[in-house]
Amino acid sequence: DAGVTQSPTHLIKTRGQHVTLRCSPISGHKSVSWYQQVLGQGPQFIFQYYEKEERGRGNFPDRFSARQFPNYSSELNVNALLLGDSALYLCASSLSAQSYTEAFFGQGTRLTVV
Amino acid sequence: EDQVTQSPEALRLQEGESSSLNCSYTVSGLRGLFWYRQDPGKGPEFLFTLYSAGEEKEKERLKATLTKKESFLHITAPKPEDSATYLCAVQAAGDSNYQLIWGAGTKLIIKP
Repeated sequence: DAGVTQSPTHLIKTRGQHVTLRCSPISGHKSVSWYQQVLGQGPQFIFQYYEKEERGRGNFPDRFSARQFPNYSSELNVNALLLGDSALYLCASSLSAQSYTEAFFGQGTRLTVV
Repeated sequence: EDQVTQSPEALRLQEGESSSLNCSYTVSGLRGLFWYRQDPGKGPEFLFTLYSAGEEKEKERLKATLTKKESFLHITAPKPEDSATYLCAVQAAGDSNYQLIWGAGTKLIIKP
């Protein structure tokens, strides 16, 4: 079985630009969560989607948005990029929205804003 | 405020030298405590979930324990391939976001 797939793996963008990150969950998993991990820190929660609906939102500005598609894949969009948005963006896939017991992470997208 | 603190920040051990990593947490009701391993440039890899004080789980050279205020990840006779950053996270019972709150991790280096 394929694990959680994220694309692209690396990305370099200029300040002010827009970026879209993609995530394909494990087959059968209906929940996708997004996390931001700055170097040397633990991940910070951005969004959770379950059954195509937003179920949770972390303390991030409105420049961050996401959506989940009928096939349960997900996109994370970030507008007006800032230098501080440089981080590893992680996607986690799980069966349910309420428990991370079976949560699996992708390899992440390394975003560098210059 | 819910928070997780891990110590030490970094730990260097000789191969075969056993030790423990600490995860202290403050949450308004614990739904679960999770341990993950993260290799450089990769996503976290799930290790254990603990739900209640007194619970213990083992996997190969790793053993996780839980009290009402902290969790320990014991590593017995480690090998160089155990080198990684070990992350602890909690899910609070009263959190409608169902988010994981993470510590900053302990970077473990096992020297041959």
